[in-house]
Amino acid sequence: GAGVSQSPSNKVTEKGKDVELRCDPISGHTALYWYRQSLGQGLEFLIYFQGNSAPDKSGLPSDRFSAERTGGSVSTLTIQRTQQEDSAVYLCASSPEIRVSYEQYFGPGTRLTVT
Amino acid sequence: AQRVTQPEKLLSVFKGAPVELKCNYSYSGSPELFWYVQYSRQRLQLLLRHISRESIKGFTADLNKGETSFHLKKPFAQEEDSAMYYCALASGTYKYIFGTGTRLKVLA
Repeated sequence: GAGVSQSPSNKVTEKGKDVELRCDPISGHTALYWYRQSLGQGLEFLIYFQGNSAPDKSGLPSDRFSAERTGGSVSTLTIQRTQQEDSAVYLCASSPEIRVSYEQYFGPGTRLTVT
Repeated sequence: AQRVTQPEKLLSVFKGAPVELKCNYSYSGSPELFWYVQYSRQRLQLLLRHISRESIKGFTADLNKGETSFHLKKPFAQEEDSAMYYCALASGTYKYIFGTGTRLKVLA
């Protein structure tokens, strides 16, 4: 079946512009996660959704970052007024439920470059 | 603080040699630990989890609470094992803390 998909695969933007990154989880997965992978760093947890609700937004790096999920499916991560330090690979993952004992299925990522 | 440390950024071994990818963690509760792998041009995927006590692709990992370690081992490396390996700690019911990863290169 189809796995997690993300779009765009690559995004180059100018500093100060807003960007939207999209994630399509596996159908039926209620849990959705966003991570950021900066050069030389591990995966940094950003936010998770259970259904359309995001109970914990503490991982978002600043108030320029926001995320939403609609219909218990597609999620968008929005970065406003991008900065060069936002350059990273943004990964989305989904799992059947919110429980770490469940495997997380990762998407291919969006590589964001802020010039 | 909750933390996962993978001290080696790069590990090179010859085909047929034993492999050990190190992972140490810091966690106050009862940890759940995982290894994820990313092969070239593929997406990140689960390799194994400690609660399953499984061996996947010849890899095993034992949780050592005394040493707070969860090292990944394989007795005989294969070229197809070349990949990026991430150790992850489950924090609470939903959150993973990942290490910075170790790139394994298996030389012919």
